[in-house]
Amino acid sequence: GENVEQHPSTLSVQEGDSAVIKCTYSDSASNYFPWYKQELGKRPQLIIDIRSNVGEKKDQRIAVTLNKTAKHFSLHITETQPEDSAVYFCAPRGLSGGSYIPTFGRGTSLIVHP
Amino acid sequence: DGGITQSPKYLFRKEGQNVTLSCEQNLNHDAMYWYRQDPGQGLRLIYYSQIVNDFQKGDIAEGYSVSREKKESFPLTVTSAQKNPTAFYLCASSRLSSGNTIYFGEGSWLTVV
Repeated sequence: GENVEQHPSTLSVQEGDSAVIKCTYSDSASNYFPWYKQELGKRPQLIIDIRSNVGEKKDQRIAVTLNKTAKHFSLHITETQPEDSAVYFCAPRGLSGGSYIPTFGRGTSLIVHP
Repeated sequence: DGGITQSPKYLFRKEGQNVTLSCEQNLNHDAMYWYRQDPGQGLRLIYYSQIVNDFQKGDIAEGYSVSREKKESFPLTVTSAQKNPTAFYLCASSRLSSGNTIYFGEGSWLTVV
């Protein structure tokens, strides 16, 4: 199955700073790379995703970059705000037993200080 | 998001009891999943199903069972064989093809008393 590493595990920034979270995966057949945000006690929700034919995708203050050669992708948040405080998960979709199954990273706790 | 309903939201289990968590979706998704999340931890896959009457074990299937008699429904039973069941359980669904987003239910909190 897919091995997924997410770094850092905790990230503390001041409001207005940028935050970057990196996700490394092992399956070269992975072709879908989403990021999820989970607020305390709630369900994870998709915030941005990228597919293997694209290197970068932006959505306002959020961007995802993909390096398929090195097998990693990163979440970039600019001009961070306190409401960005949450746990962020990557979930690359790799091949397992003939099926594409997402494997979640262990999560990054982002804390944005006002 | 709103198309996946989990119940109950909170559940207490006594030692030796089996409990069943319900998951229903109206998104017409073929694939459904169950994840377990422990405090401060990531999501670990328990079981998944891609078609009615078929399901596969995930990374931590021991002590759990599922069924998929209908496309819309994927209930999870936590059996007495699961020695440490206290956790947050998330049901999810997606379309079958590889590039599709997973949508989650609101989750069920299970506590052993």
